[in-house]
Amino acid sequence: AQSVTQLDSHVSVSEGTPVLLRCNYSSSYSPSLFWYVQHPNKGLQLLLKYTSAATLVKGINGFEAEFKKSETSFHLTKPSAHMSDAAEYFCVVSDSGYQKVTFGTGTKLQVIP
Amino acid sequence: NAGVTQTPKFRVLKTGQSMTLLCAQDMNHEYMYWYRQDPGMGLRLIHYSVGEGTTAKGEVPDGYNVSRLKKQNFLLGLESAAPSQTSVYFCASRPGPGIQETQYFGPGTRLLVL
Repeated sequence: AQSVTQLDSHVSVSEGTPVLLRCNYSSSYSPSLFWYVQHPNKGLQLLLKYTSAATLVKGINGFEAEFKKSETSFHLTKPSAHMSDAAEYFCVVSDSGYQKVTFGTGTKLQVIP
Repeated sequence: NAGVTQTPKFRVLKTGQSMTLLCAQDMNHEYMYWYRQDPGMGLRLIHYSVGEGTTAKGEVPDGYNVSRLKKQNFLLGLESAAPSQTSVYFCASRPGPGIQETQYFGPGTRLLVL
């Protein structure tokens, strides 16, 4: 079985300050992990993915995430928030033994001017 | 390349009515998925398909049926709509079973059941 927990339902940061969105996962196999972003009334867009290569993954729009197996975490970070980063972010785990993927409940990021 | 498209974009139903949501992809993907998105619950998998003619249940399949008669299309049916099925429905496709394969999402269908 697999699961993913996003530790914060809402995160608020000031423009220009760092962003940290936290994600912990549980998986019986070596997982693939993804971060998706959803802007209001839009579909989901892939930010980045981890597939057992480098543990530090760089994505689009300056985001990156680090896979830490010992902590079962895959936190998303960005050094400096931009107003356009305001959206909902989903952490996703895909188990190598299954065709299914499991979504976290999402973290809404608010960026304050 | 249109990617993943969903029809309709928005629909209002009365309780007990039926409808079909269409998902189409032009990327020759093997795997297709239907999710529903509700506030505070993320996306939950309704049904999925790993190839033409195959379907399987996800975590919330009750009240829905699906069909994959053609590789490019994945239909989601509601036989007797209930207010609890008010949600935003997303379709996704994926090239195949490789764990590193990314899902591609459609724009969503907003369904309101009165």
